[in-house]
Amino acid sequence: DGGITQSPKYLFRKEGQNVTLSCEQNLNHDAMYWYRQDPGQGLRLIYYSQIVNDFQKGDIAEGYSVSREKKESFPLTVTSAQKNPTAFYLCASRGDLYNEQFFGPGTRLTVL
Amino acid sequence: KQEVTQIPAALSVPEGENLVLNCSFTDSAIYNLQWFRQDPGKGLTSLLLIQSSQREQTSGRLNASLDKSSGRSTLYIAASQPGDSATYLCAATPWDYNQGGKLIFGQGTELSVKP
Repeated sequence: DGGITQSPKYLFRKEGQNVTLSCEQNLNHDAMYWYRQDPGQGLRLIYYSQIVNDFQKGDIAEGYSVSREKKESFPLTVTSAQKNPTAFYLCASRGDLYNEQFFGPGTRLTVL
Repeated sequence: KQEVTQIPAALSVPEGENLVLNCSFTDSAIYNLQWFRQDPGKGLTSLLLIQSSQREQTSGRLNASLDKSSGRSTLYIAASQPGDSATYLCAATPWDYNQGGKLIFGQGTELSVKP
């Protein structure tokens, strides 16, 4: 089955820790995205990558970092500099034909 | 700056009713507009994609329209069912390629269909 996988489904972080969220796709898409979803605020873009070894900051990149070493993978690291990381994180990739975005199942991060 | 708004924030209807969800956007320079469904605690499922040059798209009981001149899109759901209960999100892709094809989301409409 083609699609996007995210792991883990739930993640708990202690104060001062860095944590990494995984996102993998087998759709052969060049472009990948990370969004953050908070109650009542909709989805906001954190980082995106349009091609391997290249990525750009989105609207709320502070306290986050990414890498894009492989076409299939776009991991997101939530650093200790992110002051309010508790949220639902969604990864997406974009098809080339119609520019349609497809989403993974999400990771819920909670700070203890 | 593009802004996307969805009204109402929540909607409750009896089973079998036809309904319309509204989405408005401030900048008509969009590449496409997507409608998504989100169940509680889950990711987004793409329902319909309307290209900038199109006026509507249909999939089963769903029909989405796009009017760029008025900055509006609507999602029409025919003969609603309890299984349609979810949050519906619309999102616009800016025409500006320098924005990387990102989606700008509305805050969603939470739909509840009562048996």
